[in-house]
Amino acid sequence: EVQLVESGGGLVQPGGSLRLSCAASGFTFSSYEMNWVRQAPGKGLEWVSYISSSGSTIYYADSVKGRFTISRDNAKNSLYLQMNSLRAEDTAVYYCARDPLDRWGQGTLVTVSS
Amino acid sequence: DIVMTQTPLSSPVTLGQPASISCRSSQSLVHSDGNTYLSWLQQRPGQPPRLLIYKISNRFSGVPDRFSGSGAGTDFTLKISRVEAEDVGVYYCMQATQPPPPMYTFGQGTKLEIK
Repeated sequence: EVQLVESGGGLVQPGGSLRLSCAASGFTFSSYEMNWVRQAPGKGLEWVSYISSSGSTIYYADSVKGRFTISRDNAKNSLYLQMNSLRAEDTAVYYCARDPLDRWGQGTLVTVSS
Repeated sequence: DIVMTQTPLSSPVTLGQPASISCRSSQSLVHSDGNTYLSWLQQRPGQPPRLLIYKISNRFSGVPDRFSGSGAGTDFTLKISRVEAEDVGVYYCMQATQPPPPMYTFGQGTKLEIK
């Protein structure tokens, strides 16, 4: 069974940093492209970042470019999102999702507030 | 960027009756490879999104056949032939045709509720 389990969310002050992780199982992680998608409280979905299976191709939404860094460790079946210079508008549930968004984790909540 | 517009934003439906959601894109979603990367997601209350339909009309694994997708170019529709209680939630269309970034663009979501 495909499983994606996010962790690392929490409360952080504006300007702070967090690192999200996503542990994958039940499929050959190294063969799949991966994404982060977020959802602000009560709002719709926003794609955040993409990484190819090898990690050689990466894309970011304009809203996070220069502040967030996506990475992966295929040996550990894990996906990461390093989030720096966090803002109140980054408050959201962050989902990792297998490309083409056919499998999703349960999400981890990031709250940016003083 | 391509903008995805869904109508209606809210849809009260009687159990057992059909439901329909429309999605319009600001540009054609026909990719240079000939495919149209238009998908539909379902998000039940308190749950993560779930893929229902991909490439306009293909049901994802485990999706009941009461769900169907249709359309072409810039106009697409998700239909539920007979609404069941478990279908309550928010439905999103999304496109992946535009060269990234962004990889994906979503509609605003349509809330399906039971009358």
